[in-house]
Amino acid sequence: DTAVSQTPKYLVTQMGNDKSIKCEQNLGHDTMYWYKQDSKKFLKIMFSYNNKELIINETVPNRFSPKSPDKAHLNLHINSLELGDSAVYFCASSQGASTEQFFGPGTRLTVL
Amino acid sequence: KQEVTQIPAALSVPEGENLVLNCSFTDSAIYNLQWFRQDPGKGLTSLLLIQSSQREQTSGRLNASLDKSSGRSTLYIAASQPGDSATYLCAVHSGSARQLTFGSGTQLTVLP
Repeated sequence: DTAVSQTPKYLVTQMGNDKSIKCEQNLGHDTMYWYKQDSKKFLKIMFSYNNKELIINETVPNRFSPKSPDKAHLNLHINSLELGDSAVYFCASSQGASTEQFFGPGTRLTVL
Repeated sequence: KQEVTQIPAALSVPEGENLVLNCSFTDSAIYNLQWFRQDPGKGLTSLLLIQSSQREQTSGRLNASLDKSSGRSTLYIAASQPGDSATYLCAVHSGSARQLTFGSGTQLTVLP
């Protein structure tokens, strides 16, 4: 059973397009996150949702909009994609805000 | 603002050797510290979570220690194996938002 899953695994698109990445967790956790891992492999928090409510919103362009339809899902929609958005995006979940986090396999986004 | 540093950035050892990975953080007011493993092109696997009140945590051949007052943690790997080759990431939970701040990782290669 996959604990945290993301789709798609790879996403290649043109500059200016709009795309979405989906995340689902079957761990029964109440908190979900989006992280960005840049080309230097540095991981940085983007968003955190607790019980479908936005908790953390780091300095991320407003072209990025997370959406949590329920506690098990946290999707990431990106408008007007730019070259600098190319990265690996990871979804994670935890029970509570400062407990062990479990990560998905990542989505590699390439903007051409 | 919390900053996490991992030294060395890369490490290569022969199979069977015991090794230590280092992690330091600037703000000692942490909730806990989590060690992860990342294999190339894969997601993060949680290895150990050590609470701020704990001094160490063990899982199999792995032992993590925490000295909160000095802002340091070490991950000790005993009897290393080629399958241990991966990037090891240290992350701390801190701040009012209880977010996870990552180090840049140590890339470990265990030579057969």
